[in-house]
Amino acid sequence: EAQVTQNPRYLITVTGKKLTVTCSQNMNHEYMSWYRQDPGLGLRQIYYSMNVEVTDKGDVPEGYKVSRKEKRNFPLILESPSPNQTSLYFCASSLRGGHLGELFFGEGSRLTVL
Amino acid sequence: GQQLNQSPQSMFIQEGEDVSMNCTSSSIFNTWLWYKQDPGEGPVLLIALYKAGELTSNGRLTAQFGITRKDSFLNISASIPSDVGIYFCAGPGTTSGTYKYIFGTGTRLKVLA
Repeated sequence: EAQVTQNPRYLITVTGKKLTVTCSQNMNHEYMSWYRQDPGLGLRQIYYSMNVEVTDKGDVPEGYKVSRKEKRNFPLILESPSPNQTSLYFCASSLRGGHLGELFFGEGSRLTVL
Repeated sequence: GQQLNQSPQSMFIQEGEDVSMNCTSSSIFNTWLWYKQDPGEGPVLLIALYKAGELTSNGRLTAQFGITRKDSFLNISASIPSDVGIYFCAGPGTTSGTYKYIFGTGTRLKVLA
């Protein structure tokens, strides 16, 4: 089954404790992206990747890092989480970055930073 | 930057009624995507539109790509309780040099049984 898989789905952590949210897609997509969704603010892009080893900042990249060492994986790293990063996070992928077509989302990761 | 405006913001309807919502922009889009999102879950792609004037159906859902490329609408016929959720439109931005999707503000649908 074609899908975007995120882990963990739910996480409660404390300020400053590094964490990684993994994202994997099995559709051989070139384009992958991370979003956060907050009430009243909609989906905001954090980082995106056009292909392996090609990443770029979205609208709200502060406090986050990403890497794209393999085509299928695009982890989101919070080096020192803070309470304002409490949010619902989504990973998404699309076949070709240059012709951004259908975008497929993962099920989401709800993160709480205490 | 590019924006997508959706209307209505929310709507209550009776089960069995038809629903219509639309998405507009001041700039053109080359692709329109319609999603449904349940609370706490990931958006699920309902319909993708690629050509101006295109009309596409997916079960009880029908969507159209506006001729001007600046709007799209989604219709749901004979609504049922499980249609409850947030529907939003999206499209790949067309600003040169950017590779991002633009998302609408969403229409929250509530169906009264």
